[in-house]
Amino acid sequence: GIQVEQSPPDLILQEGANSTLRCNFSDSVNNLQWFHQNPWGQLINLFYIPSGTKQNGRLSATTVATERYSLLYISSSQTTDSGVYFCAVERWASGSRLTFGEGTQLTVNP
Amino acid sequence: DTAVSQTPKYLVTQMGNDKSIKCEQNLGHDTMYWYKQDSKKFLKIMFSYNNKELIINETVPNRFSPKSPDKAHLNLHINSLELGDSAVYFCASSSRRVGYNEQFFGPGTRLTVL
Repeated sequence: GIQVEQSPPDLILQEGANSTLRCNFSDSVNNLQWFHQNPWGQLINLFYIPSGTKQNGRLSATTVATERYSLLYISSSQTTDSGVYFCAVERWASGSRLTFGEGTQLTVNP
Repeated sequence: DTAVSQTPKYLVTQMGNDKSIKCEQNLGHDTMYWYKQDSKKFLKIMFSYNNKELIINETVPNRFSPKSPDKAHLNLHINSLELGDSAVYFCASSSRRVGYNEQFFGPGTRLTVL
């Protein structure tokens, strides 16, 4: 099956810093989603981005499908950004399932 | 609120018991899923239903049985619970339109087997 690798596995920032999270995948995909799992365990949809660039406030994401990677940018980080960030991909040939990476644990300190 | 909801949020039970987790979505989606998140936070698909029909059944023990009474509901019944079943179970839903299949997740059910 498709492999999804996220880096870095852990990231510690001071409030106000910027960061880039990376997601590499081993095969062509039809869909790609970024999620934030907050400290209460909720999985929050950040971006649905099989290709191209999107922005939502301080967050933006870029997927270069031909090169099989996606980047999530967090600018001016806040303590509420803490949690685990997951990348998940879907290949229609494999059925309607998301294959998740292992996540990036982000800690933003005040 | 339009959302995916799950009950219960927490479930603590003894080994050998049978338990169920319920999931409902009011997003009008036609596909629903169960995912399991283990202690290392790794998320993996268990089952997927499209219009009440099972379309994905990963290598999950037979003790796990999903049931979809209608498109808006997908329940998970677990027989003879084992210690290793302790995990967080997430329900999700999506609308499998051509070219678009964004999945939305419920709040999760934390199952602890003692």
